Amino acid sequence: GAVVSQHPSWVICKSGTSVKIECRSLDFQATTMFWYRQFPKQSLMLMATSNEGSKATYEQGVEKDKFLINHASLTLSTLTVTSAHPEDSSFYICSAGRFEWGTEAFFGQGTRLTVV
Amino acid sequence: GENVEQHPSTLSVQEGDSAVIKCTYSDSASNYFPWYKQELGKRPQLIIDIRSNVGEKKDQRIAVTLNKTAKHFSLHITETQPEDSAVYFCAASSGQAGTALIFGKGTTLSVSS
Repeated sequence: GAVVSQHPSWVICKSGTSVKIECRSLDFQATTMFWYRQFPKQSLMLMATSNEGSKATYEQGVEKDKFLINHASLTLSTLTVTSAHPEDSSFYICSAGRFEWGTEAFFGQGTRLTVV
Repeated sequence: GENVEQHPSTLSVQEGDSAVIKCTYSDSASNYFPWYKQELGKRPQLIIDIRSNVGEKKDQRIAVTLNKTAKHFSLHITETQPEDSAVYFCAASSGQAGTALIFGKGTTLSVSS
């Protein structure tokens, strides 16, 4: 399958600071990228969908000014958690795919964010 | 939007037994149903998937069945082994380009030897 790499794998930041997470498709051009959040022992909750050439579409309840998503190129998407608070501590996972694959997408390895 | 329900939330079996996890979905337009296995702190791994034009798919010890009329699909694992212990998630999607997977809440499978 296609390879998606996420960086960093884990990060600790102080409350009130911002942190950026990168998601890269290494061997294909991703026309669509998705960001999910997973709290401990819970499911993957879709945060936003980013399609080529358009702004990210956020799910209901996800603050777009707090979780900034940039689909900078066909191989890179970034998620910036602004003014992070302890309740933002979670596992963030991206997935990437291409239009012609339908919804088949490949996951990054995830980023464990801890806000202290 | 799509809503996926998954049962049971936890499942404990003896090594060698079979395990069945069931999911229901709400959107009749959904036509892609993957299953993922996730180990602690790692990314979900696709283990099998099925599309709406088939009713059953099998890959060695793993099989998935789909009933579109009833809007439910199931994962069957036979001859379970301790290394099958993990969290399993079902998901559903319309299959349209650019649409995301919607996940069930997960099932923690424990296989004891």
